[in-house]
Amino acid sequence: EDQVTQSPEALRLQEGESSSLNCSYTVSGLRGLFWYRQDPGKGPEFLFTLYSAGEEKEKERLKATLTKKESFLHITAPKPEDSATYLCAGHSGTYKYIFGTGTRLKVLA
Amino acid sequence: NAGVTQTPKFQVLKTGQSMTLQCAQDMNHEYMSWYRQDPGMGLRLIHYSVGAGITDQGEVPNGYNVSRSTTEDFPLRLLSAAPSQTSVYFCASSSLVSADTQYFGPGTRLTVL
Repeated sequence: EDQVTQSPEALRLQEGESSSLNCSYTVSGLRGLFWYRQDPGKGPEFLFTLYSAGEEKEKERLKATLTKKESFLHITAPKPEDSATYLCAGHSGTYKYIFGTGTRLKVLA
Repeated sequence: NAGVTQTPKFQVLKTGQSMTLQCAQDMNHEYMSWYRQDPGMGLRLIHYSVGAGITDQGEVPNGYNVSRSTTEDFPLRLLSAAPSQTSVYFCASSSLVSADTQYFGPGTRLTVL
């Protein structure tokens, strides 16, 4: 059965304290691995798509990486405005996306 | 370019009532989908469509009905609402041709009493 697991469930960081979020996946025939940001009361906002092991993508303080079993979202020198829930999803190519339960990130000033 | 729009934003129903959640997109995307989001459960796929006239079931389809008569619209119908359907519902769309990135609407918060 296809599955996506995110850890930790919640993370509190001081402003400037870098860290990483983990997304472990078992998705047969992975066609893409997606990262989204979700603010309270809003829909998920697309961040990155990764297609193959070894691929990396960056956007401001965020960098996403992909291996054959997991993906990491690295947050460098976070700011309070980076506080949100970060969602990971795998796409198996059967038109179905499998989402993890997310990591709630709180960055303290 | 409004992206993905959903109406209503909030809705309260009584058990047994029916209603339709509306979803529209103006990006000419072939793929559209409905998810529900519950605390601790993540986003779960209800139904999806790969084009007008084509729909299929996702992970949690029971109690929901969909149809797709146009590229732009993908309504979700609750036939007889139950308290277990209390949730936040998100509609999403993506192009089948490029990148598979899904774009989400702002959500509908539904409470069934």
